[in-house]
Amino acid sequence: DSGVTQTPKHLITATGQRVTLRCSPRSGDLSVYWYQQSLDQGLQFLIQYYNGEERAKGNILERFSAQQFPDLHSELNLSSLELGDSALYFCASSVRQGVGTGELFFGEGSRLTVL
Amino acid sequence: KNQVEQSPQSLIILEGKNCTLQCNYTVSPFSNLRWYKQDTGRGPVSLTIMTFSENTKSNGRYTATLDADTKQSSLHITASQLSDSASYICVVSVQGGSYIPTFGRGTSLIVHP
Repeated sequence: DSGVTQTPKHLITATGQRVTLRCSPRSGDLSVYWYQQSLDQGLQFLIQYYNGEERAKGNILERFSAQQFPDLHSELNLSSLELGDSALYFCASSVRQGVGTGELFFGEGSRLTVL
Repeated sequence: KNQVEQSPQSLIILEGKNCTLQCNYTVSPFSNLRWYKQDTGRGPVSLTIMTFSENTKSNGRYTATLDADTKQSSLHITASQLSDSASYICVVSVQGGSYIPTFGRGTSLIVHP
């Protein structure tokens, strides 16, 4: 158990809909990262938050947005869903950004299926 | 551009055999390199971390090597077990600044009985 909690574990929805994925980082971790993993693909970095502030953006679509709340949990919002958005979405946390060994602790992922 | 290339893309071996996975990177300035193991449908878990001054590090049947001069790393798995079937991901981090590690695409390992 990594200590990172993601909900829901599975989600099935229709094209055009909007969903919210939730992540609770490990106790004490200030950084939260979101990754997308499509079938048989590598992990694609979406976005990072550190202590409530957005710090880095990767290949995140404009239809997607995220935020980190004062209690450090994070939400990833996916809207106007398309079939190609079907994937595993992982949240990871780390103690801090920048200096340090920077191990990422991953949650078990949220599997999104868009029909 | 920071890149991490892994080979082979996939590998099938028999239980009990050894194997070696490769990782080449162009990330600079180098801070550390991690190997993660990702079981199917699960989140990745860190196996080892290599810093600039380290050449070899072991974690049970897993041994990672690092050649910082050639920017290459390998992960050697000894006496493979069925539970070693997974994707192995090489992740390289840079020094300072915004901490966004660079992920390789992973090597998919299948261990057959």
